[in-house]
Amino acid sequence: QVQLQESGPGLVKPSETLSLTCSVSGGSISNYYWIWIRQPPGKGLEWIGYISYSGNTNYNPSLKSRVTMSVDTSKNQFSLKLSSVTAADTAVYYCARPFNYYDSSVYYYWGQGTLVTVSS
Amino acid sequence: EIVLTQSPGTLSLSPGERATLSCGASQSVSSNYLAWYQQKPGQAPRLLIYGASSRATGIPDRFSGSGSGTDFTLTISRLEPEDFAVYHCQQYGSSPLTFGGGTKVEIK
Repeated sequence: QVQLQESGPGLVKPSETLSLTCSVSGGSISNYYWIWIRQPPGKGLEWIGYISYSGNTNYNPSLKSRVTMSVDTSKNQFSLKLSSVTAADTAVYYCARPFNYYDSSVYYYWGQGTLVTVSS
Repeated sequence: EIVLTQSPGTLSLSPGERATLSCGASQSVSSNYLAWYQQKPGQAPRLLIYGASSRATGIPDRFSGSGSGTDFTLTISRLEPEDFAVYHCQQYGSSPLTFGGGTKVEIK
């Protein structure tokens, strides 16, 4: 059974960089697309973007200038960096994976989510 | 980007009743690439429906999806106690992928 687990600081100061890692167990990171989604408290879901196992990326234009995703196949992990954060970036951040290797868009496996608060 | 509007915001129903949730798109969703997710408090979303009407693996047949173009519907034929949750629609026909604001199904 594929399992995803987010990790990273729960508190980030304004203007700094948010960094999160998603560890994948129960399956290889190879041959799939890996996704980041966030949800501000009490609000809806926002797609941040994806990275393929080979490093191809597609970011939400609203965040593109601040987002960097990377994948580490040796550790079976992928990562998210979001720079110049503000209070508006406070959210639960989820990593996710589609069911099928050829899909980048419909998300079957999800991490439990991690709350990141931006505050001084 | 495609804006998805879900209605109603909250649906108050009793167990055993039928739930009908709507998702409207600001422009036609390509190839009916519309998914539905269920989310319970403190949990990650769970995929229910993709391609507007296909049930994901392990999803009970009381959940069904329909619609095309700009209007989509999620129907829960008979509400079970575990179905009271927030439901999100998502379009993946064009980038960026977008989600609706959610419909909360609560116990009346």
